[in-house]
Amino acid sequence: SQKIEQNSEALNIQEGKTATLTCNYTNYSPAYLQWYRQDPGRGPVFLLLIRENEKEKRKERLKVTFDTTLKQSLFHITASQPADSATYLCALSLSGSARQLTFGSGTQLTVLP
Amino acid sequence: GAGVSQTPSNKVTEKGKYVELRCDPISGHTALYWYRQSLGQGPEFLIYFQGTGAADDSGLPNDRFFAVRPEGSVSTLKIQRTERGDSAVYLCASTTGTGKNEQFFGPGTRLTVL
Repeated sequence: SQKIEQNSEALNIQEGKTATLTCNYTNYSPAYLQWYRQDPGRGPVFLLLIRENEKEKRKERLKVTFDTTLKQSLFHITASQPADSATYLCALSLSGSARQLTFGSGTQLTVLP
Repeated sequence: GAGVSQTPSNKVTEKGKYVELRCDPISGHTALYWYRQSLGQGPEFLIYFQGTGAADDSGLPNDRFFAVRPEGSVSTLKIQRTERGDSAVYLCASTTGTGKNEQFFGPGTRLTVL
């Protein structure tokens, strides 16, 4: 069956360090992968999109990698700040689908001051 | 400009009742999605509209769930004979319709079925 797995536990890191979040998937051939941030009581907010033929994408302090051989994406936040504390969701979109997103369950990140 | 809005923000109902949840997408966005999110889980796809028509309703869990978008803008998700298991946050998202763009989510409606 198809499955998307993110870091199973909450992630706590010290301010200033790099946070690395993992998204692994099985039995998918995604056309592209997106990362979203979700704060309590709010809807997800788009951060980055990476396509199947791209290895890496950057935006300010954020970096995403996409390895279709390993079926894995890594999401990095450099120079982390307490304001980065949130739940981060990875989402896959399949080629030829109705462009619906299939989400992982999310990783709760806490950046400690 | 205004983002995606959803009303009500909270809805408490009794088992067996009928509820309607409303979504106002971003103006000009042709694609609209409904998702359901349970506590500790990611959003789960329910239905996708391109314009007025439901292009994919494969995520609707059963025939108690129905959604409409009669004029290609506002959408209403309708749940008949609500069950306690329907309790969740219902999220709406819209995009420009090209499909490979980011989805813009509303704040969600928290539905509680007692």
